[in-house]
Amino acid sequence: DAGVTQSPTHLIKTRGQQVTLRCSPKSGHDTVSWYQQALGQGPQFIFQYYEEEERQRGNFPDRFSGHQYPNYSSELNVNALLLGDSALYLCASSKDMGIGELFFGEGSRLTVL
Amino acid sequence: GDSVTQMEGPVTLSEEAFLTINCTYTATGYPSLFWYVQYPGEGLQLLLKATKADDKGSNKGFEATYRKETTSFHLEKGSVQVSDSAVYFCALSEETSGSRLTFGEGTQLTVNP
Repeated sequence: DAGVTQSPTHLIKTRGQQVTLRCSPKSGHDTVSWYQQALGQGPQFIFQYYEEEERQRGNFPDRFSGHQYPNYSSELNVNALLLGDSALYLCASSKDMGIGELFFGEGSRLTVL
Repeated sequence: GDSVTQMEGPVTLSEEAFLTINCTYTATGYPSLFWYVQYPGEGLQLLLKATKADDKGSNKGFEATYRKETTSFHLEKGSVQVSDSAVYFCALSEETSGSRLTFGEGTQLTVNP
């Protein structure tokens, strides 16, 4: 049973570019949440997707957007990249928007130069 | 807003020493409380949780008790092993927040043989 898978694992972009990160949830899960983890910090909630809609959003600008597909996989898009967007982006999956247990992927490490 | 404060780290211990990592929280309602662990090169994993006051979460020799009166959820282990070396995150979720977790900044634990 595959857990949460994310791609790519590492990527480097320059300021002003756009990036798309991808996530496949754990089998049987239908809810995907995204978190940003800056170096040496705890993860910060970006948003949550359920039934292909954004259900909750943290304190992130509109440059951060997402999508969920009918197969429950999800994308995180970040436009107009800033140096401060450099971080580990974590995807977490759960069932029915619940908190029962979140399963996290290993993350996508984004470096903005 | 909600917040989680962890003891300043890092923490370095010898094998078989007693571990305490302090965690206090601020929340408007009655949150669920969690400890997550991040081993090197791996994703976040749920270590233990407690959903109401006076509950004790336990797993792999680790314990934490939900103390509403002191708004705390300190992590303890009686005898640490080298394999416990990791970053530990305290987190909370409000009743209506589903998979939206608020994390502390994390505590790096290093256990030396």
